[in-house]
Amino acid sequence: AQSVSQHNHHVILSEAASLELGCNYSYGGTVNLFWYVQYPGQHLQLLLKYFSGDPLVKGIKGFEAEFIKSKFSFNLRKPSVQWSDTAEYFCAVNAKSSGDKLTFGTGTRLAVRP
Amino acid sequence: DTAVSQTPKYLVTQMGNDKSIKCEQNLGHDTMYWYKQDSKKFLKIMFSYNNKELIINETVPNRFSPKSPDKAHLNLHINSLELGDSAVYFCASSESGRGNEQFFGPGTRLTVL
Repeated sequence: AQSVSQHNHHVILSEAASLELGCNYSYGGTVNLFWYVQYPGQHLQLLLKYFSGDPLVKGIKGFEAEFIKSKFSFNLRKPSVQWSDTAEYFCAVNAKSSGDKLTFGTGTRLAVRP
Repeated sequence: DTAVSQTPKYLVTQMGNDKSIKCEQNLGHDTMYWYKQDSKKFLKIMFSYNNKELIINETVPNRFSPKSPDKAHLNLHINSLELGDSAVYFCASSESGRGNEQFFGPGTRLTVL
């Protein structure tokens, strides 16, 4: 069964600091990978996704993520965070053999101090 | 606007009641889902329907019964509500064969008293 781990449960940064959120998954086959963001009181929105090709994926709002197959990782990065990036971030994996099932990590709560 | 919509947005009810949450998507997707997000923000899939057929049914109590009248709607009916059912329920949709990128609704916050 596929599983997703997000080791940083709560991250606090000052504006302009760099961000890296870890995501590791356990599944040996072909996967699609996603990062979703949930702003306070809102629904989940897709930040970026990886299906195939260039392992460095650029998303919205200056976010990017790198798929490292050998490490089963898909870490999210942003060079300079803003106060408006305060939100909950979820990594998710879809193993192609599992059909439409999307498994989410437990989320990382990011608080950015102005 | 094209979107996934849910009603109601908030639902407060007593233990033992029966309630329904409705979901509609006008994205033309063929697959719809229900997720439960608990107080710790953990998101867990409950059900998935593809073209009105049940595809995923996780270990959810049978008090929860999804119904899909057509591929644009997936409703969730909950019988005999319990305190532990309090959570935010999200509906989502996707188009099969497109990597399972899912689009989420705004959520329904259910509070059972």
